[in-house]
Amino acid sequence: DAMVIQNPRYQVTQFGKPVTLSCSQTLNHNVMYWYQQKSSQAPKLLFHYYDKDFNNEADTPDNFQSRRPNTSFCFLDIRSPGLGDAAMYLCATSSGGVDTQYFGPGTRLTVL
Amino acid sequence: GIQVEQSPPDLILQEGANSTLRCNFSDSVNNLQWFHQNPWGQLINLFYIPSGTKQNGRLSATTVATERYSLLYISSSQTTDSGVYFCAVPASGGSYIPTFGRGTSLIVHP
Repeated sequence: DAMVIQNPRYQVTQFGKPVTLSCSQTLNHNVMYWYQQKSSQAPKLLFHYYDKDFNNEADTPDNFQSRRPNTSFCFLDIRSPGLGDAAMYLCATSSGGVDTQYFGPGTRLTVL
Repeated sequence: GIQVEQSPPDLILQEGANSTLRCNFSDSVNNLQWFHQNPWGQLINLFYIPSGTKQNGRLSATTVATERYSLLYISSSQTTDSGVYFCAVPASGGSYIPTFGRGTSLIVHP
């Protein structure tokens, strides 16, 4: 009965080789979020969707893009990963408004 | 934007001890969440508590919205309580974008 699912759980890529992380949800929530979290830091919001409406944080690098083809799925594309992009990537959902956020288990990205 | 401060930043306990974690925020909020990040990295909802007191087993939380703080109580701590505890509040007004505190890292020794 997992509600927010992320695949893969662990991803190893090479410097500069594009990678795609996926997130799916069974909650039918309007909002989906992507966060980057580095060691000993709080999650940092990269972007979010309210339905199909895409919102990019001002300091999200251009190297990061996202797609939400339908309500259930959301993807994070890293076009040319650098060593500094190694991190945990967390997907979350909420119904929007004043409500609880639900997180997936995360994808830990290693860049060689 | 709203500022969120958590204290203490680090906490080490012996199994069975009690603890209180604090979250201060700089503006009025209508939503506050407490999360536990386990050693595998997943963030688990503990409480959605814009005001008042809630309890769930050994954990309880109190938010005093008028004084802009929330407390998370852990009683009879267990090694499985180890991890990082985050509080999060809306970035502004009724925003659905949360602002996270920096977290409290808890280690419980057997």
